[in-house]
Amino acid sequence: QKEVEQNSGPLSVPEGAIASLNCTYSDRGSQSFFWYRQYSGKSPELIMFIYSNGDKEDGRFTAQLNKASQYVSLLIRDSQPSDSATYLCAVNTGNQFYFGTGTSLTVIP
Amino acid sequence: NAGVTQTPKFRILKIGQSMTLQCTQDMNHNYMYWYRQDPGMGLKLIYYSVGAGITDKGEVPNGYNVSRSTTEDFPLRLELAAPSQTSVYFCASSYSPLAGPQQFFGPGTRLTVL
Repeated sequence: QKEVEQNSGPLSVPEGAIASLNCTYSDRGSQSFFWYRQYSGKSPELIMFIYSNGDKEDGRFTAQLNKASQYVSLLIRDSQPSDSATYLCAVNTGNQFYFGTGTSLTVIP
Repeated sequence: NAGVTQTPKFRILKIGQSMTLQCTQDMNHNYMYWYRQDPGMGLKLIYYSVGAGITDKGEVPNGYNVSRSTTEDFPLRLELAAPSQTSVYFCASSYSPLAGPQQFFGPGTRLTVL
């Protein structure tokens, strides 16, 4: 069974700090990796995706991938209260996507 | 562009009843997916389709059926509803996962089986 593991949290950070979210996956054949943000009662929305080892930056968000360690992370710089949500890690293998259970982030003003 | 639309938004079923959850996308995506999300959990793939007439099982297909007669529509059928099917159901669509794999999600259907 393909697994995607996340620390469920909750993770609390003060406004302006860096939030660090982590995810590990079991299938070495996984091809692409995603971070979704999900507000309570809403559908997931894509924040970042990454294919290759290393870092990918988009505004305040940085995704990091290490395929050898089967590890993907998301850094949120200058965290804002509006970043308070559940962050889902997802992994694509073939035609299917596998999701972690999510990490709940609270940014404290 | 409406994106991915789902109906109904909410539904309460009695044990043993059947229903169809509707999903429509207007982005001409080949790939469509049905997920369920239980409280505090991630999304689990129920069924997916890579194009009209082609469907395949995901992680948790038992108790569900799908069909894909057009590119736009991907209905999910629940036969003989059970309390274990109480969940939020999300439909999603995308281009080929290898050619820009971003999934676009619908707003969800919250289903309760009593």
